[in-house]
Amino acid sequence: DQQVKQNSPSLSVQEGRISILNCDYTNSMFDYFLWYKKYPAEGPTFLISISSIKDKNEDGRFTVFLNKSAKHLSLHIVPSQPGDSAVYFCAASARGGAQKLVFGQGTRLTINP
Amino acid sequence: DADVTQTPRNRITKTGKRIMLECSQTKGHDRMYWYRQDPGLGLRLIYYSFDVKDINKGEISDGYSVSRQAQAKFSLSLESAIPNQTALYFCATSDPRDRGRDEQFFGPGTRLTVL
Repeated sequence: DQQVKQNSPSLSVQEGRISILNCDYTNSMFDYFLWYKKYPAEGPTFLISISSIKDKNEDGRFTVFLNKSAKHLSLHIVPSQPGDSAVYFCAASARGGAQKLVFGQGTRLTINP
Repeated sequence: DADVTQTPRNRITKTGKRIMLECSQTKGHDRMYWYRQDPGLGLRLIYYSFDVKDINKGEISDGYSVSRQAQAKFSLSLESAIPNQTALYFCATSDPRDRGRDEQFFGPGTRLTVL
């Protein structure tokens, strides 16, 4: 039972345009959400997070939106750059859950010049 | 220098062999985790440890064991490797006192192939 789902295995975007990566979750106990970025031959690195008490968090070119009623979050990258080409993982955790993260399957983002 | 290191980075072994993957960290974090990544499945938690005396099973612990030798070291063992344990393995650390709640810091990964 996949509690965190990223239904798009891959996404291709033109350089300079907006990239939108989506994530859905089923467990209503999740109250903190994170996005990780992973390059080949490296471990995932933290990108941005959002608490369930917010509906938006912004950090430079990266913005995460949370829609709790739909159990959906999205990551917006504007403008997209070639260095953004990577696999992006959505993850979720529940307060009191020992900081355990539940990950989605990942979306491979390719930025085309 | 990397904060979380994993050895070996790549390993090919045969079915039935015992193998150990090692993780070391210099971040001073108490909490450490082992994950495996499979195509189409994301990262799944194998074991986690809150300190040297605390070991907990994760989502997919069958066929694996762990040892927390010190605060900085957390090893994952496959007692008798089987082909479906072929995967990318990641170690991670976290500290609940850090600013980013639940943020984990990952090592570079070990690619394990079981023939």
